[in-house]
This record gives sequence, C-alpha cells and structure tokens, in this order.
Amino acid sequence: GEDVEQSLFLSVREGDSSVINCTYTDSSSTYLYWYKQEPGAGLQLLTYIFSNMDMKQDQRLTVLLNKKDKHLSLRIADTQTGDSAIYFCAPGGADGLTFGKGTHLIIQP
Amino acid sequence: SAVISQKPSRDICQRGTSLTIQCQVDSQVTMMFWYRQQPGQSLTLIATANQGSEATYESGFVIDKFPISRPNLTFSTLTVSNMSPEDSSIYLCSVLGGIETQYFGPGTRLLVL
Repeated sequence: GEDVEQSLFLSVREGDSSVINCTYTDSSSTYLYWYKQEPGAGLQLLTYIFSNMDMKQDQRLTVLLNKKDKHLSLRIADTQTGDSAIYFCAPGGADGLTFGKGTHLIIQP
Repeated sequence: SAVISQKPSRDICQRGTSLTIQCQVDSQVTMMFWYRQQPGQSLTLIATANQGSEATYESGFVIDKFPISRPNLTFSTLTVSNMSPEDSSIYLCSVLGGIETQYFGPGTRLLVL
C-alpha cells in the first residue's frame, strides 16, 4: 500500500514562511491534498493539487509537486499564530486517501 | 462544498457493547468513506461505502466488526461492534463531493471503558 512520510514537527517564527514536506510512494495518486487539523477540531481541507500540475498558489498557500521524486510541499507565507495546527498530506483519488502522520506546526512569537 | 454532520459527536461506551455512528450529507454523493483516527495518530481508511452495493473494507478491517449501511445518497452509518478499549478513536466520514474535493465530517469521538 501507499506510504506517506512527513516530519512530525516544524517550528517557525511568526511572520516567517513555513514549508511542510511530504513524500509518498504511490505514483498513481490522482490528487494530493493538504488538510489542517486544529486541536479538538475536525479536518479542514486546505488545498489540493492535481497530479499533472507542478505548482498551485492560493493566497498564502503554495503547493509544489515533484512527481518524479514523489515529493509534495506546502508553503505558508507570513505564518500567523492561527496557523498553529497539524497538517496532513494525503495523496489519493476516488478510492480514498492515505494520510501521513501529520506535521505539528509550532509558531514562535 | 459539502456539509457533513455526524451523530453522536462523542460517546463513552462500555466494552462489549456496540455503537452506531450516523453520517448525513447535505447533497447527494456517490462515494462515502469511513476513517479512524486513533489517539495521536493519523487517519486510516476503514471502508468505502457506495450506495446500492456492499462496502469495501481495507486490510485489517472486517464487516463483522464494522458493519456499514448506505441506504441512500445522503446518508451512511458505521457500527463499531463488540467494542474494546482499543476501539477508542475518532471516527470520521468523508465524501467525494467532486473529483477535486474530499470533505470530512466533524468526527465522532469514542471512548471505550
């Protein structure tokens, strides 16, 4: 089955950019999603990228996909305290998603 | 976007009992999914539920333990049967609202004593 790897923690200063990385094994993934989970809350779909795209930008969020290396990243510009959460990388398609363990984004003042 | 509600939002149950979790969507969807998120862990897909057919279970999950119903295009239930403390998790339903979007319900937090 699919393996999805993420770093468990990322610490950044408020106002800096955060880059959360993800590697995956299944090259047949059609879509690659990023979800955000705040403490005690449900999963919020942040953004996604189609597998034939290299980059997608959505306001402060930039998703980069290197399909050859099976590497996905999420960049959050001007990181704010409200961005503090767990971020899950989830490649997949119509058959469901495989989630990474999530990266805890910690914001330092 | 699809709006998904789940009932109950949380429950505390005794071992050996069963709990049925309901998932309601505000629009008709073909595919619904059930996931489990164990404490401090990521999400694991339990099964895919399509209307009019048997649910498809992932490796490690069986119908006797997690029976699923999908009576129509806006509703599904997941039952956690003969519960043990290891079943304490958040259970989430998800829908494929369109090819580009997969949305999650708020989750049902289950604690088994």
